[in-house]
Amino acid sequence: DTGVSQNPRHKITKRGQNVTFRCDPISEHNRLYWYRQTLGQGPEFLTYFQNEAQLEKSRLLSDRFSAERPKGSFSTLEIQRTEQGDSAMYLCASSLGRDPEQFFGPGTRLTVL
Amino acid sequence: DQQVKQNSPSLSVQEGRISILNCDYTNSMFDYFLWYKKYPAEGPTFLISISSIKDKNEDGRFTVFLNKSAKHLSLHIVPSQPGDSAVYFCAATLDKFYFGSGTKLNVKP
Repeated sequence: DTGVSQNPRHKITKRGQNVTFRCDPISEHNRLYWYRQTLGQGPEFLTYFQNEAQLEKSRLLSDRFSAERPKGSFSTLEIQRTEQGDSAMYLCASSLGRDPEQFFGPGTRLTVL
Repeated sequence: DQQVKQNSPSLSVQEGRISILNCDYTNSMFDYFLWYKKYPAEGPTFLISISSIKDKNEDGRFTVFLNKSAKHLSLHIVPSQPGDSAVYFCAATLDKFYFGSGTKLNVKP
């Protein structure tokens, strides 16, 4: 078990471009969460999946953001038409059922120029 | 709306002394509270948790106290070690997690 992995670790893009991040959770974990963290703040909830079903989306998740978990394993987070305000660390976490402990990946740091 | 708050952005403690990190919350429906530790360039790592039905949980040098009437929890680290220097986030959960803004702990040798 290698823990939660995220790719890429860093992404620099120009405003208006689309970006996609990938998260591979711990294999037996059925819940997968996406968070966004900006400097000086704690992680902010974006969305979560139970297996392949997306159960909740934050109001922070505008129409430019979409997340999928097609087979209930890995997940992707896509941001379309990126804006400078999207620059942040995007964290993925997974858990087993309603176990309160979530395991976090190292994050993907997005910089929008 | 910030449902979980950490009002101290930083804390400096001498090695061997006690570190006390504080957290306040507003939603009395939260069922679990957790503390995470974060080093630069890494994701948060789980430290310790407490159920809303308890008032204390201890794990080695780490103890979390929950005061439900005050909607307050604290993390005690005794004795503090230089390796404890990191950013500490408290989180509360009701299906999804709500995080505080973090407290940067510096343990001086």
